[in-house]
Amino acid sequence: DQQVKQNSPSLSVQEGRISILNCDYTNSMFDYFLWYKKYPAEGPTFLISISSIKDKNEDGRFTVFLNKSAKHLSLHIVPSQPGDSAVYFCAATRMYSGGGADGLTFGKGTHLIIQP
Amino acid sequence: NAGVTQTPKFRILKIGQSMTLQCTQDMNHNYMYWYRQDPGMGLKLIYYSVGAGITDKGEVPNGYNVSRSTTEDFPLRLELAAPSQTSVYFCASSYDDINRRSNEKLFFGSGTQLSVL
Repeated sequence: DQQVKQNSPSLSVQEGRISILNCDYTNSMFDYFLWYKKYPAEGPTFLISISSIKDKNEDGRFTVFLNKSAKHLSLHIVPSQPGDSAVYFCAATRMYSGGGADGLTFGKGTHLIIQP
Repeated sequence: NAGVTQTPKFRILKIGQSMTLQCTQDMNHNYMYWYRQDPGMGLKLIYYSVGAGITDKGEVPNGYNVSRSTTEDFPLRLELAAPSQTSVYFCASSYDDINRRSNEKLFFGSGTQLSVL
């Protein structure tokens, strides 16, 4: 029972174009969403996040869009660069009183390949 | 700046053997976590800790144990290794700030690739 789904295992994009990575979730209690980036033989690194009170968050070339009614979020990378080639994980959680991040649920990841 | 350090990077175990995966962080983070990632899958939480002396089970705790005697260290123990525990294991940490949403921004180690044969 996957609560966070990344339906594209891989995505190939030409350098300089826009990369769009998609993520769907099923748990309506999720209120905070994150994207992590992972290079081979390294641990994931935090990229960008968005709270459910917003529908967009930007950080340089990276923008995350949230559509709560569709339970869908997307990560846009513009322009795409060779160093963006990595696996991108979508993660979701809900606010609760205990603190900590025991509620993070990850998707399976999308392998983004930037073609020169 | 070391961040989160995991040892060893690779290990092959025989069925029934035991081992401890080490994790240490030098960022004074109060939260620490152990995740496993199976091929083609997302990360699944094994155990987590909100501070020294406090640990709790995650989604897939069976076959593992943890302890948190200091803020810095969070070792993961496999008592009787099974082939189903073949995976990549990641340790992570995070911290609190005023808005508390920093908790979810995890800092990961580089992982331990474990094979049980």
